[in-house]
Amino acid sequence: QQPVQSPQAVILREGEDAVINCSSSKALYSVHWYRQKHGEAPVFLMILLKGGEQKGHDKISASFNEKKQQSSLYLTASQLSYSGTYFCGTPKVNAGNMLTFGGGTRLMVKP
Amino acid sequence: NAGVTQTPKFRILKIGQSMTLQCTQDMNHNYMYWYRQDPGMGLKLIYYSVGAGITDKGEVPNGYNVSRSTTEDFPLRLELAAPSQTSVYFCASSQLGLAGVGAYEQYFGPGTRLTVT
Repeated sequence: QQPVQSPQAVILREGEDAVINCSSSKALYSVHWYRQKHGEAPVFLMILLKGGEQKGHDKISASFNEKKQQSSLYLTASQLSYSGTYFCGTPKVNAGNMLTFGGGTRLMVKP
Repeated sequence: NAGVTQTPKFRILKIGQSMTLQCTQDMNHNYMYWYRQDPGMGLKLIYYSVGAGITDKGEVPNGYNVSRSTTEDFPLRLELAAPSQTSVYFCASSQLGLAGVGAYEQYFGPGTRLTVT
């Protein structure tokens, strides 16, 4: 089952903050976050494993709550380079760690 | 390291034609994947492989075939191309997930943009 991302799209001004959510109806063992710029391949941002940990990548951080089966990506003081589509991916157990990706959140940062 | 490479970058096929999309990785990764991405949509897994000689279906395998004779190569074959197969195809690879479920990042190739008319 595909994880659900919200919101579907966000428009920000440079310096503003945003939160992107990813929720699943199934138990989560980990959550992957990727960013895809227009016309390019997805690029890995971070993985969050079971344990409720938080991680950071520059001014982008994320949390993972396995009890609530959800993860949130926090973009702080957004920069123009943050524009793109953000995908969360959740692995399927006993299936080659294959990921099921959410539908994506389109983020546009304006000057 | 070149990472994950894909050829061709672009291709136009006529309905009913066949073609093979090539994917090669030089990171010695056991796991390899093929995704398709329709315009404005997310990634859908077509096939994956956990090692040479082992492949399995993903979410949308119909109309495609794969083989994995070496660790490095994972070609995707389209037989009898249909307009519904117009999409961008991404190949990806990752390490073996010994540290936990989905514990390793996936590295994506640059993609092949395919149009079937």
